[in-house]
Amino acid sequence: QSALTQPASVSGSPGQSITIYCTGTSRDVGGYKYVSWYQQHPGKAPKLMIYDVSYRPSGVSSRFSGSRSGNRASLTISGLQAEDEADYYCSSYTGGSTWVFGGGTELTVL
Amino acid sequence: QVTLRESGPALVKPTQTLTLTCTFSGFSLTTSGMCVSWIRQPPGKALEWLARIDWDDDKFYSTFLQTRLTISRDTSKNQVVLTVTNMDPVDTATYYCARTSRYSTSFAFDIWGLGTKVIVSS
Repeated sequence: QSALTQPASVSGSPGQSITIYCTGTSRDVGGYKYVSWYQQHPGKAPKLMIYDVSYRPSGVSSRFSGSRSGNRASLTISGLQAEDEADYYCSSYTGGSTWVFGGGTELTVL
Repeated sequence: QVTLRESGPALVKPTQTLTLTCTFSGFSLTTSGMCVSWIRQPPGKALEWLARIDWDDDKFYSTFLQTRLTISRDTSKNQVVLTVTNMDPVDTATYYCARTSRYSTSFAFDIWGLGTKVIVSS
């Protein structure tokens, strides 16, 4: 299964909102509700931020939100903070009980 | 508190078989809806899902790597083991195990271990 497509990098200033897109196909992102997003700080393990397209796990800030339109999912971070600077990965179920990740997006807080 | 911890050799030679162990606590892999996956990340690169084992002992593998992977569990020790045969330098990566809790966060990987770095070199 091919990796999902994400921009290599995005940036924003503190307080702003940014959106990271994750593009797949009808066989993954567009075909199932099982899209999730992960935050990874340098040298650390990933952390679940969004599951099932738009649900936040307990303890994740409401500044993080997810959505989907067709074969493209998105992660929006509002009220950008310095601590949000990290790599972000999307993931999707691909059928046949297999999963695929995106190539990752580096978020820089200016 | 749910924790997972990966362990295994830091260095393996090409063609060797890699055996990694994920030791977890705070949940039981025999509880309905619980799963453990292995996911790896080459240096500076993206995450790659490898395999998953479920509460009912169902096993699932990456299409690209399935011929080289075997996942198993020891429920008495709360451990999940991944073996990767015929290791190659391109398999150099940090290997993570992660939990899925179907009835709380669906199919997402909600808790991750810290990862274990594996270098493949002669």
